[in-house]
Amino acid sequence: DTEVTQTPKHLVMGMTNKKSLKCEQHMGHRAMYWYKQKAKKPPELMFVYSYEKLSINESVPSRFSPECPNSSLLNLHLHALQPEDSALYLCASSHKDREPYNEQFFGPGTRLTVL
Amino acid sequence: DAKTTQPPSMDCAEGRAANLPCNHSTISGNEYVYWYRQIHSQGPQYIIHGLKNNETNEMASLIITEDRKSSTLILPHATLRDTAVYYCIVRVSSGSARQLTFGSGTQLTVLP
Repeated sequence: DTEVTQTPKHLVMGMTNKKSLKCEQHMGHRAMYWYKQKAKKPPELMFVYSYEKLSINESVPSRFSPECPNSSLLNLHLHALQPEDSALYLCASSHKDREPYNEQFFGPGTRLTVL
Repeated sequence: DAKTTQPPSMDCAEGRAANLPCNHSTISGNEYVYWYRQIHSQGPQYIIHGLKNNETNEMASLIITEDRKSSTLILPHATLRDTAVYYCIVRVSSGSARQLTFGSGTQLTVLP
């Protein structure tokens, strides 16, 4: 299984809602990532988890709350988002114990719309 | 990480080779060149990487100049499914989980 799955594919939420994005991989990768991609822009890193511990937070607002409950699962909890947070949210994973270390496997993304 | 420069867009005829250039004049000795692509509405996909030798895999070839200041990704026989944004990324190779910094990339359009 060389796939990263993300659910839901699409999400529409109001500014007062609480929702969660889910990402799963069964490749034994111990590094997992959240990226945000606005239309016609490159992906931008949000968070990095290494061995289920948060290792990088790229100054992301607290209305985004990541969680890594186990080595296969990565969640992104959303609360009180703004319309400008509408974007494609990408999850990725990678090896930490063999080359190529920077080969990241990306999921198809969740298209989020905040009304 | 070294900064990369890529043309914003390129066209290629179907069946012909697509040659995508990337400049990385400030690359350090321990930095690798990685290529990813992103087909519309999909997540990015790793293609190939290299340090100083030319590399080839089932998807593409990577040619790195001797001074390592530029590289070219070659898709030998482009198909319509190769239409995508191609990103050149320079990065150290390390077991530490680190971010990929995507530049603007090159939009490759393969024409029938």
